[in-house]
Amino acid sequence: DAGVIQSPRHEVTEMGQEVTLRCKPISGHDYLFWYRQTMMRGLELLIYFNNNVPIDDSGMPEDRFSAKMPNASFSTLKIQPSEPRDSAVYFCASSFAGGHGNEQFFGPGTRLTVL
Amino acid sequence: AQRVTQPEKLLSVFKGAPVELKCNYSYSGSPELFWYVQYSRQRLQLLLRHISRESIKGFTADLNKGETSFHLKKPFAQEEDSAMYYCALTPGGYQKVTFGTGTKLQVIP
Repeated sequence: DAGVIQSPRHEVTEMGQEVTLRCKPISGHDYLFWYRQTMMRGLELLIYFNNNVPIDDSGMPEDRFSAKMPNASFSTLKIQPSEPRDSAVYFCASSFAGGHGNEQFFGPGTRLTVL
Repeated sequence: AQRVTQPEKLLSVFKGAPVELKCNYSYSGSPELFWYVQYSRQRLQLLLRHISRESIKGFTADLNKGETSFHLKKPFAQEEDSAMYYCALTPGGYQKVTFGTGTKLQVIP
């Protein structure tokens, strides 16, 4: 298993542009999480899904951020319009309810730079 | 609401010296505590969990409910321990994990 897959690995865009980040969770996992990592705030949970349904989106910073999970093997995080302060590393993680102690498996992350 | 605090952003120690990464939490119930680690150019991964009471790569962590702490310790630091360490908490039985802001451990040769 390749683990959690994220694309692209790096994204450089200009302010005002739409950005779409993609994630493929580990097969069989029923939870999917989107995190944002910055030096100042560490790792912040943005939103998570259970069985493709959004459960908690209280961490989504603004209406410019949206996330979808159309099926069990794919999720997107979209930022429209993007701003320089959105520059960060975005991680996707997955887990399954039957696992030990709620261990989460992380993807490699997408490094987003908004100019 | 639960909260995890890691007071040190950076901890530098010499090789062979003891290491203690501090973690304090606030949660009214019985939480599950974890330490995750991110080595350079690698994915964030689970290091250990308190319910397992295990030692991984020489690291241990004891849950102290009285002090609401879950400090990560290792008696003798190695260069390969240099990494970013995150303390994390989840309410028992739930999947949502709250992470601390992380501590970067730098082991000086």
